[in-house]
Amino acid sequence: AQSVTQLDSHVSVSEGTPVLLRCNYSSSYSPSLFWYVQHPNKGLQLLLKYTSAATLVKGINGFEAEFKKSETSFHLTKPSAHMSDAAEYFCVPNQAGTALIFGKGTTLSVSS
Amino acid sequence: NAGVTQTPKFQVLKTGQSMTLQCAQDMNHNSMYWYRQDPGMGLRLIYYSASEGTTDKGEVPNGYNVSRLNKREFSLRLESAAPSQTSVYFCASQTWQDGELFFGEGSRLTVL
Repeated sequence: AQSVTQLDSHVSVSEGTPVLLRCNYSSSYSPSLFWYVQHPNKGLQLLLKYTSAATLVKGINGFEAEFKKSETSFHLTKPSAHMSDAAEYFCVPNQAGTALIFGKGTTLSVSS
Repeated sequence: NAGVTQTPKFQVLKTGQSMTLQCAQDMNHNSMYWYRQDPGMGLRLIYYSASEGTTDKGEVPNGYNVSRLNKREFSLRLESAAPSQTSVYFCASQTWQDGELFFGEGSRLTVL
């Protein structure tokens, strides 16, 4: 079964600096992976998804993630943080025929 | 296109009362989910339904029942509410193509 580890429970950055949210997966085969975002008091929204096509995936709001099989990683990045990026972020593996299980996520804080 | 609709958005119950959270999707998805979200705990899966007529327990099913009424609707019932069930509840439906989840806006439940 697939699982992921989000290496940081909380990340703090300054506005205009790069964002890196780390996610490592554990799987015996190449997984399908999602990043979801949840802004305060809102529902969850898909940021981007990897489904074994291009390894560099671009999402909404300037975010992107690169699937690296050699490192079993799918880290989320953004070149320049904006105040509106402050949210909860979830890396979620998808395995056909099984339910999607979320972890505790990473809280991103952005200071001015 | 409404997507996933949850009702009610807010509810206050007394311990021992019962209630049902309703969820409906209009995207013709087979799979539907109920999650709960508590501070610092991420999203935890309560129940999911892979298709009409089937339901399966998730990570935290105790105290809940579900009904997959038809392909569109998936309800979550609390028979005897407890303060530990105070939470924000999210319903989601899932595409079969790549497993992406679409979420409702959430239902905030307080049990006194």
